[in-house]
Amino acid sequence: GIQVEQSPPDLILQEGANSTLRCNFSDSVNNLQWFHQNPWGQLINLFYIPSGTKQNGRLSATTVATERYSLLYISSSQTTDSGVYFCAGHGGSQGNLIFGKGTKLSVKP
Amino acid sequence: EAQVTQNPRYLITVTGKKLTVTCSQNMNHEYMSWYRQDPGLGLRQIYYSMNVEVTDKGDVPEGYKVSRKEKRNFPLILESPSPNQTSLYFCASSSPGGEDNEQFFGPGTRLTVL
Repeated sequence: GIQVEQSPPDLILQEGANSTLRCNFSDSVNNLQWFHQNPWGQLINLFYIPSGTKQNGRLSATTVATERYSLLYISSSQTTDSGVYFCAGHGGSQGNLIFGKGTKLSVKP
Repeated sequence: EAQVTQNPRYLITVTGKKLTVTCSQNMNHEYMSWYRQDPGLGLRQIYYSMNVEVTDKGDVPEGYKVSRKEKRNFPLILESPSPNQTSLYFCASSSPGGEDNEQFFGPGTRLTVL
């Protein structure tokens, strides 16, 4: 079936630490995207990354489509990085977006 | 300013009383979508629309209706709300096919059905 699974479900970091979040997806999912939901509930698109690697400041993402996983790297974490990180991919049709259950990140000062 | 707006932001209603949550975008996006977010379940897609007059069911369409008569608007209709539709709702839009395919989300509507 169509599945998007994220790990770990929860992560606590000290400010300045690095982290890696993982997203595994099933065969019928493609066009991976990463999102951040801040503690106030706002959702922001981080990366559209069907394959390869992209970087934006302290964040980068890599998708290995042939092995059905994507990684989100956060370097030198800051308290403003706290929130929930979601990955999502398109399922049966181009418009059908399937989300994972998220990784809740807490960065402590 | 490019944005997706939703109204109302907060709503408390009673079972069976029809309601509409509006969604509007000013970016001329073809694609619009509705999601609900529940604790422990992440976001689940309710309906989506690839363009005007084209709508399709997402993963949890039961109890909801949508329409796309204009490109900028994509209202979500609950004909007879029930308590299990208490949730946080997000509308999103994007322009598929671009290099980034960035999804823009509205601020969310918190709905409570008593």
